[in-house]
Amino acid sequence: GENVEQHPSTLSVQEGDSAVIKCTYSDSASNYFPWYKQELGKRPQLIIDIRSNVGEKKDQRIAVTLNKTAKHFSLHITETQPEDSAVYFCAARPYNNNAGNMLTFGGGTRLMVKP
Amino acid sequence: EAQVTQNPRYLITVTGKKLTVTCSQNMNHEYMSWYRQDPGLGLRQIYYSMNVEVTDKGDVPEGYKVSRKEKRNFPLILESPSPNQTSLYFCASSSLGTGGEKFFGPGTRLTVL
Repeated sequence: GENVEQHPSTLSVQEGDSAVIKCTYSDSASNYFPWYKQELGKRPQLIIDIRSNVGEKKDQRIAVTLNKTAKHFSLHITETQPEDSAVYFCAARPYNNNAGNMLTFGGGTRLMVKP
Repeated sequence: EAQVTQNPRYLITVTGKKLTVTCSQNMNHEYMSWYRQDPGLGLRQIYYSMNVEVTDKGDVPEGYKVSRKEKRNFPLILESPSPNQTSLYFCASSSLGTGGEKFFGPGTRLTVL
């Protein structure tokens, strides 16, 4: 099955700097890659996603890039703010007619933005 | 308001005492799933359902059961809970074909003594 690895496990940046979180996946058939943000004590929230037919997607200060050849994708957060502090999860969905929306998650990255 | 709800939010129980965690969504989503979240292990899928009466195992189904008798509800059943099922549980839902889990419930923190 699919295996998703996420790095780093913790990341500390100064407010205003950029943060980059990287994920690799194993199943070349995966075609959907979402990112979730989970604040302390809260539920995961979908913040951005990308499908395998595009290489990059942006939404204000966040962007995701995908390299299908290398089987890795990254989350980029620019001009970080203290409220960006959270745990971020990447995920991948292998294409499988019988498995609907089943996702495999990475282990998470704890991002700390220091004021 | 579009939402996924779970009950209870917190539960402390003892080994072997059957329990059910309810999950309900009001968005008419076909797809619902259950995850457990443990420190250092991220989110792992327990079971999922693609529609009424259609359920299948995820990555860690042992010790759990589910049912999908109605589209809006997807309860998680622990017939004989054990301490290794102490975890934070999330229910999620989305429309089929939208890619992945769009909405998560607020979570249920379960402790099995």
